[in-house]
Amino acid sequence: NAGVTQTPKFRVLKTGQSMTLLCAQDMNHEYMYWYRQDPGMGLRLIHYSVGEGTTAKGEVPDGYNVSRLKKQNFLLGLESAAPSQTSVYFCASSSPEGASYGYTFGSGTRLTVV
Amino acid sequence: EDKVVQSPLSLVVHEGDTVTLNCSYEVTNFRSLLWYKQEKKAPTFLFMLTSSGIEKKSGRLSSILDKKELFSILNITATQTGDSAIYLCAPYSGGYQKVTFGIGTKLQVIP
Repeated sequence: NAGVTQTPKFRVLKTGQSMTLLCAQDMNHEYMYWYRQDPGMGLRLIHYSVGEGTTAKGEVPDGYNVSRLKKQNFLLGLESAAPSQTSVYFCASSSPEGASYGYTFGSGTRLTVV
Repeated sequence: EDKVVQSPLSLVVHEGDTVTLNCSYEVTNFRSLLWYKQEKKAPTFLFMLTSSGIEKKSGRLSSILDKKELFSILNITATQTGDSAIYLCAPYSGGYQKVTFGIGTKLQVIP
């Protein structure tokens, strides 16, 4: 069972470069989320989606864009990376009924912007 | 704005000790409270609580929710080195279909 798969697992970017993080889930979940995790800050919600073709801003959306063209995929884009975006990024998914029971998380992407 | 405060932020104990981790929260449209364990990678689900005074147990771990006072505790008895992790408290807000995570309590269990 693959669950939630994130690619890449590690990446180093130069300031100003762009990249896309891919999240794929094979559980037919409606809801998908992108979080970032920083020391002393906990997990913070960047963007989320409650269904194919829909996205919404979370707590810290600035500098990021997302797309949910297919139900199983949720993409997180950085158009012009900044050192402040150095973080560990987690994707998660859940069904509407299961959202209150917690998410299934991917293994994370460690991004460093130099 | 939703708030989650966990205490202590870090804790070092010896194997066999009992620990209590605290979580207080303020969220709109509260539906449930989740506890996660995070080792080196992604958080893994431990408990979900929805009703006050209900104690969930799973082996050496147990948790209680007080919806009136807006807090939860996670107890771990007879700690083992494998319990070393960050423990995250996360209230679920049904109105926004999202979970707000606390910073976590970093637990280190030494032999």
